[in-house]
Amino acid sequence: SQKIEQNSEALNIQEGKTATLTCNYTNYSPAYLQWYRQDPGRGPVFLLLIRENEKEKRKERLKVTFDTTLKQSLFHITASQPADSATYLCALESRPGYALNFGKGTSLLVTP
Amino acid sequence: GAVVSQHPSRVICKSGTSVKIECRSLDFQATTMFWYRQFPKQSLMLMATSNEGSKATYEQGVEKDKFLINHASLTLSTLTVTSAHPEDSSFYICSVPAGGPDTQYFGPGTRLTVL
Repeated sequence: SQKIEQNSEALNIQEGKTATLTCNYTNYSPAYLQWYRQDPGRGPVFLLLIRENEKEKRKERLKVTFDTTLKQSLFHITASQPADSATYLCALESRPGYALNFGKGTSLLVTP
Repeated sequence: GAVVSQHPSRVICKSGTSVKIECRSLDFQATTMFWYRQFPKQSLMLMATSNEGSKATYEQGVEKDKFLINHASLTLSTLTVTSAHPEDSSFYICSVPAGGPDTQYFGPGTRLTVL
């Protein structure tokens, strides 16, 4: 069956450090992978999409890598800030042209 | 990007009653909308795909007679939880694939609590 696995434990880091979150998947052949941010009691907010032919994508302090051989994506937040504290979700198409399947998310806490 | 609203944001109801949740695409005409459900500490799970002018498509294990979906216009989809029970208490979120399924915009969610 298809699985999307993210670090189940919360990640606590100090302000200014780089946060790295992991997403591993099985039984997918994704054309792309997405990362979302979700704050408590709110819907997910789209952050980045990376396609299968892209190794790396950047947006401001965010960087995503995508290794289709390892079936893994890494999500980095550089120079982290307390405002970055949230749950970050990895998402893949369940099948081409269809809705997304999400991982459980990793909770990030950035302390001053 | 598309702006998506949901109403209500929170609802508390008694067991056995029905609850209607609205999802509106404010600036994008959506022939398709997705409904997800999220239990605490769990991932979003797709419940159904709402199709304008036709029947919704439900995921395996989701009862179509319990979760009624109506996509009456290009900007509005409604999810009605019929005869709600405490186990239906969850966070319901809709999304609009604006410009293709690889670009989804999510509503703020509706917290349903069934007593």
